[in-house]
Amino acid sequence: AQTVTQSQPEMSVQEAETVTLSCTYDTSENNYYLFWYKQPPSRQMILVIRQEAYKQQNATENRFSVNFQKAAKSFSLKISDSQLGDTAMYFCAFMAVNKFYFGSGTKLNVKP
Amino acid sequence: DADVTQTPRNRITKTGKRIMLECSQTKGHDRMYWYRQDPGLGLRLIYYSFDVKDINKGEISDGYSVSRQAQAKFSLSLESAIPNQTALYFCATSAPQVRQPQHFGDGTRLSIL
Repeated sequence: AQTVTQSQPEMSVQEAETVTLSCTYDTSENNYYLFWYKQPPSRQMILVIRQEAYKQQNATENRFSVNFQKAAKSFSLKISDSQLGDTAMYFCAFMAVNKFYFGSGTKLNVKP
Repeated sequence: DADVTQTPRNRITKTGKRIMLECSQTKGHDRMYWYRQDPGLGLRLIYYSFDVKDINKGEISDGYSVSRQAQAKFSLSLESAIPNQTALYFCATSAPQVRQPQHFGDGTRLSIL
């Protein structure tokens, strides 16, 4: 079975600080892709960053980066220089065999 | 204009009513999906379709049905709504290339009294 686990239901961080959101997954597939989505209070689902499982180099998008540990099946998201606009629910997801699987989400609150 | 449009944005209805949620897209994607989001459970897949003639059940399809009227349109129906179907529903699309992410509509918040 394909599963995604986000063990932190809620986190807080001070503005300008760095925060890391955890995600682990389980799959028997070798070819898969990993994603982080952001859901602000407006409830849109916005793609933050993606990672191909076959690439060892960690993906980076501006202030967002991932720590991908394939052997450990871990895919954490690091947000640097946190901004108030980063306040949102964050979902980890992976895609394998043409289907997407989502974690239960981590609610991030950025405090001024 | 949004690439993936869901209507209605919000809906309140009563137990036993038939409800249809609609989704249309201008991205030209063949693949379309319906999810429901519940607090603490993330997004769960209800149905998905890889082309007009292809419909597949997801992990929680009981009580739901879908129709793929065209490449751009994918509707979700609740034949006889019940309160535990109260949730936020998302439609999503994706391109067939395996590394492509999903693109989501803005969701329909459905409340069943």
